[in-house]
Amino acid sequence: EAGVVQSPRYKIIEKKQPVAFWCNPISGHNTLYWYLQNLGQGPELLIRYENEEAVDDSQLPKDRFSAERLKGVDSTLKIQPAELGDSAVYLCASSPATGATGELFFGEGSRLTVL
Amino acid sequence: GDSVTQMEGPVTLSEEAFLTINCTYTATGYPSLFWYVQYPGEGLQLLLKATKADDKGSNKGFEATYRKETTSFHLEKGSVQVSDSAVYFCALSDLGYKLSFGAGTTVTVRA
Repeated sequence: EAGVVQSPRYKIIEKKQPVAFWCNPISGHNTLYWYLQNLGQGPELLIRYENEEAVDDSQLPKDRFSAERLKGVDSTLKIQPAELGDSAVYLCASSPATGATGELFFGEGSRLTVL
Repeated sequence: GDSVTQMEGPVTLSEEAFLTINCTYTATGYPSLFWYVQYPGEGLQLLLKATKADDKGSNKGFEATYRKETTSFHLEKGSVQVSDSAVYFCALSDLGYKLSFGAGTTVTVRA
């Protein structure tokens, strides 16, 4: 069974440029998460989807970040414009519909460097 | 809000040494507790979990016991191997779907 797939793995951009990250969750997993991981810190939730609905986006900086999950499968996280402080690893995770066990399945992450 | 505090690293030890990584939590309810591990070049993966007080989670020789009285979930392994070198994250989930992570502890095991 394929795991959570993210792309690109690495991205280097200049500040004020836009960037987008893509995530394909495990087949059948209705819940999808985007986490932000700064260097030396644990992941922090940005947004959680149940199917195509964003049910928790309270930590998403909506002035420059946006996300979508069309058709309740793949998801895209966008930053526009990027700032130096956005340099981090962006993690996508998925879990089965109930999510009652609390186990999340993570992708390898997309490392963003903003120059 | 809910939070997790774990032992700062990095931790460096020799093969076959005993490993302990301390983790304490703050939560208003009765959270489930987890240890996730991130091996070099790989994504985060669940190592073990415990869903109620006094439960012991175990996997790959690692153990952690959910201690409600001390709000702790310390990770232990009796004899580490070089392959255990990784970053370990303690986490809690109070609602079954949202994880709050600690800062991570980097462990390096020398041959």
